[in-house]
Amino acid sequence: DQQVKQNSPSLSVQEGRISILNCDYTNSMFDYFLWYKKYPAEGPTFLISISSIKDKNEDGRFTVFLNKSAKHLSLHIVPSQPGDSAVYFCAASVEEYGNKLVFGAGTILRVKS
Amino acid sequence: DVKVTQSSRYLVKRTGEKVFLECVQDMDHENMFWYRQDPGLGLRLIYFSYDVKMKEKGDIPEGYSVSREKKERFSLILESASTNQTSMYLCASSPAGTGEEKLFFGSGTQLSVL
Repeated sequence: DQQVKQNSPSLSVQEGRISILNCDYTNSMFDYFLWYKKYPAEGPTFLISISSIKDKNEDGRFTVFLNKSAKHLSLHIVPSQPGDSAVYFCAASVEEYGNKLVFGAGTILRVKS
Repeated sequence: DVKVTQSSRYLVKRTGEKVFLECVQDMDHENMFWYRQDPGLGLRLIYFSYDVKMKEKGDIPEGYSVSREKKERFSLILESASTNQTSMYLCASSPAGTGEEKLFFGSGTQLSVL
């Protein structure tokens, strides 16, 4: 049973436009949510995170929104750039269990120039 | 700069072989993790370790074991490799913490079991 779900396997966006990547979760005990980006032949790298007590966190072009009632979070990239083309993983953790992350299946983002 | 190094980028093994995947981190992190990445399934946790000689099962430990004799090194062992263990294996480390601390990943080992 997947606790973290990314239902869109891929997304294609024009350069300069907004990219919105979505993630749903089922475990209401999650305390933190994180987004990782992965390029081919490289390991995932941390992008941005949000605590469950917040509803928004922003870092430059990247903003994560959390809707706890809907058990849904989204990553917004504005403006999108060709270098953002990668696989994006949503992940979540429970504070009691330390840094043991549960990952979604990932979404492939393609930014067309 | 932080670094997690996995000993092999690609490995090809035969069914039934014993396979060792090595991971070394230079950040003095307490926590180390082994994940496997498969298409459509994302990253799934195999084993993790919160301290030297400590290990905990993740979500899919069957067919695997681990060893952590030194803080900087975390080894994944496939006792008898099978074709369904063909996958990308990712090692990660993080400082001890509450779940907010980010993981640092190695570049991965693509294992093919024939």
